[in-house]
Amino acid sequence: NAGVTQTPKFQVLKTGQSMTLQCAQDMNHEYMSWYRQDPGMGLRLIHYSVGAGITDQGEVPNGYNVSRSTTEDFPLRLLSAAPSQTSVYFCASGTGGETQYFGPGTRLLVL
Amino acid sequence: GENVEQHPSTLSVQEGDSAVIKCTYSDSASNYFPWYKQELGKGPQLIIDIRSNVGEKKDQRIAVTLNKTAKHFSLHITETQPEDSAVYFCAASGTRSYIPTFGRGTSLIVHP
Repeated sequence: NAGVTQTPKFQVLKTGQSMTLQCAQDMNHEYMSWYRQDPGMGLRLIHYSVGAGITDQGEVPNGYNVSRSTTEDFPLRLLSAAPSQTSVYFCASGTGGETQYFGPGTRLLVL
Repeated sequence: GENVEQHPSTLSVQEGDSAVIKCTYSDSASNYFPWYKQELGKGPQLIIDIRSNVGEKKDQRIAVTLNKTAKHFSLHITETQPEDSAVYFCAASGTRSYIPTFGRGTSLIVHP
């Protein structure tokens, strides 16, 4: 099993550009989530999904979109990047109420 | 929703000392309390967890305790080693939300 994979590992964007952060898992987990990690702020939930076709907002959803067309994939879209979105983004998957398995992260810099 | 507070934000100890990190939660419906370790440049990884029907759980040098009445739980690391240096996160989840709420993290530094 590859576990949770994320691409790209690092990305630099200009303000206003759009991009998609990819996340995939091969553990057949129902639950998938996106977090952002900023210094002193811990892990903040952006969006999550409890199964294919079902998504919901977390604590900090503004400026981000998600979709879940398959069990395996949960991409995160930045529609118009802003410097405030400079962060490290983690994708996680799990079976709900159990262990979360995290990907290696995507480091995003918005200039 | 659930609110998880974690203290301290930074903890510095000498190798061989014990380290204790404490968390409190607000939702009495929470019943699963995992702890994650995040090494530099990596994603968090589960190191130990505890459920609400258990008061204490041990795994070699690490242990977690849970006080449901007071709504707090703690991570104890004994005989710390330099490789224990990392950021540690507590979390809580339960029947109201299966998506865990995380504390803000504790940066543990173990000096050789």
